[in-house]
Amino acid sequence: EAQVTQNPRYLITVTGKKLTVTCSQNMNHEYMSWYRQDPGLGLRQIYYSMNVEVTDKGDVPEGYKVSRKEKRNFPLILESPSPNQTSLYFCASSELAGSSYEQYFGPGTRLTVT
Amino acid sequence: AQTVTQSQPEMSVQEAETVTLSCTYDTSESDYYLFWYKQPPSRQMILVIRQEAYKQQNATENRFSVNFQKAAKSFSLKISDSQLGDAAMYFCAYIDRIGNTPLVFGKGTRLSVIA
Repeated sequence: EAQVTQNPRYLITVTGKKLTVTCSQNMNHEYMSWYRQDPGLGLRQIYYSMNVEVTDKGDVPEGYKVSRKEKRNFPLILESPSPNQTSLYFCASSELAGSSYEQYFGPGTRLTVT
Repeated sequence: AQTVTQSQPEMSVQEAETVTLSCTYDTSESDYYLFWYKQPPSRQMILVIRQEAYKQQNATENRFSVNFQKAAKSFSLKISDSQLGDAAMYFCAYIDRIGNTPLVFGKGTRLSVIA
């Protein structure tokens, strides 16, 4: 089954404790991205990647890191989480050339930073 | 930078009736894609419908159709014969065809369906 998986689905942590949210897709998609969703703000892109070893900042990259060492994986790293990073996070993937850029979304990760 | 505006934070519709959700966008590009995504209480993002800017014909998917007005930069979603399962947040989104810019979302419209 074609899918994007994220782990964990729920996470409660404390300020400053490094964490990683994993994202994996099994569709051989070149493009992967991370979004955060906050009430009244919709979804905002954090980082995206056009292919392995190629990453770019989205609209709200501050406080986040990503890496793309393998085509299927695109982890989101919070080196020193802060309460303003409490949010719902989505990973997504899509084809690139010749495609319609339809984004396939993971199930979301609810992060709470206290 | 491209922007997407959904001017209706909340809408409601009677079951079996028709409702239209509005979306406008701003871009200097001529070739792009527009999407409507549905987010039910499960929080999963589900693609409802997609429109390619170079196609004049409005996209249709069963009870869902769009009114794409390229000159006016308008992309509204019409839901016909509304069902209780249509209750959700709906997001309009835009991306350049080149694909090297972020997918830009509107802030969403919460649709309630009244039985």
